[in-house]
Amino acid sequence: DIVMTQSPDSLAVSLGERATINCKSSQSVLYSSNNKNYLAWYQQKPGQPPKLLISWASTRESGVPDRFSGSGSGTDFTLTISSLQAEDVAVYYCQQYYDTPITFGQGTRLEIK
Amino acid sequence: QVQLVESGGGVVQPGRSLRLSCAASGFSFRSYAMHWVRQAPGKGLEWVAVISYDGSNKYYAGSVKGRSTISRDNSKNTLYLQMNSLRAEDTAVYYCARDGVGYGYNNWFDSWGQGTLVTVSS
Repeated sequence: DIVMTQSPDSLAVSLGERATINCKSSQSVLYSSNNKNYLAWYQQKPGQPPKLLISWASTRESGVPDRFSGSGSGTDFTLTISSLQAEDVAVYYCQQYYDTPITFGQGTRLEIK
Repeated sequence: QVQLVESGGGVVQPGRSLRLSCAASGFSFRSYAMHWVRQAPGKGLEWVAVISYDGSNKYYAGSVKGRSTISRDNSKNTLYLQMNSLRAEDTAVYYCARDGVGYGYNNWFDSWGQGTLVTVSS
């Protein structure tokens, strides 16, 4: 199984500042035949199901604010929130879909400093 | 709009069985693979199982393989998860989720239900 490891486990950032969450996979999730990274990011607020933010490591889902961006390739990925808003307080998860079983990172809790 | 509504959760004794359902609407259900994902209380997300759009392919997480069966009824727009020999560690909110690519089955999840809580306890 591909193990996804996020860092940090929790993060406190001031409003308007940048938040960066990292995700590392135990093996590459870059598929060489199409040069795509099989990596998604989700946001989960308390009491709600997860919400898809990004697929293919960097493709923002329709309706997701452009302050959210994804980057990285191979085994190392980053979710960046360029200017933190109060409504961004949540737990964030990365997920690989390169291989079955699909696996998630353990989550990163983002709070306001 | 896409709507997924899970049902069938509840309190069940260890070793017993439970069948979860997920009623889908707002999209062409028969065109999408569907997944079950669970979340133990206060914990992270764990993928459970996937079924292809036509039901011909099914894959399971190791933690439920041999004890659970995913199925679907495209005429009723409904997804199921039959869970047998339940254990305390199966206690979780179970979400159904739509695969992000039509006719795919191993992708991201672009729509989620609100979940149904399964508690395994004597």
